[in-house]
Amino acid sequence: NAGVTQTPKFQVLKTGQSMTLQCAQDMNHNSMYWYRQDPGMGLRLIYYSASEGTTDKGEVPNGYNVSRLNKREFSLRLESAAPSQTSVYFCASSEALGSIYGYTFGSGTRLTVV
Amino acid sequence: KQEVTQIPAALSVPEGENLVLNCSFTDSAIYNLQWFRQDPGKGLTSLLLIQSSQREQTSGRLNASLDKSSGRSTLYIAASQPGDSATYLCAVETSGSRLTFGEGTQLTVNP
Repeated sequence: NAGVTQTPKFQVLKTGQSMTLQCAQDMNHNSMYWYRQDPGMGLRLIYYSASEGTTDKGEVPNGYNVSRLNKREFSLRLESAAPSQTSVYFCASSEALGSIYGYTFGSGTRLTVV
Repeated sequence: KQEVTQIPAALSVPEGENLVLNCSFTDSAIYNLQWFRQDPGKGLTSLLLIQSSQREQTSGRLNASLDKSSGRSTLYIAASQPGDSATYLCAVETSGSRLTFGEGTQLTVNP
């Protein structure tokens, strides 16, 4: 099925460990996004890539890095995980800014940092 | 900075009732507004998208309206069913903030 695929689905990290969340889309979308969802805070944009070769900071970029590997793949890296980064992470993609088809979301990665 | 507010935060209704969920946003310079559904522990499913030039969109028992000048949208659910129980999220797209979300309305439809 066409869509956005995220791996892993669940992860537990110790404080200070690093990890990379993977995201891939097969809809030939130009733009990709990383959000985090926390209780009482809603979904907040971490980083986005408007097109292959570009990345920009969102609302809450501190502690994260991203790589747009190619048009299909957009990864999110935590270099030194902190308990405050415990959250559910969602990757999304869209055809372009203002697309009439909107955003498509992956099923999420549930990350716990202990 | 775009801010999106959804009211009410939670809603519990008996099966069969028609209901309205509200969404407001502070910056009217939007490209579109999208309504999503999220089931517990799951991802987001897109329900409806209204472009900034449109007034409403319909899909089955769902109807979403948009009043861009006043910064408001409503999601109308007709003849609610227990399977409609979920959290409903409103989000607006702008060039600066990209897709900005409200905190959602948690809907429970009781049999």
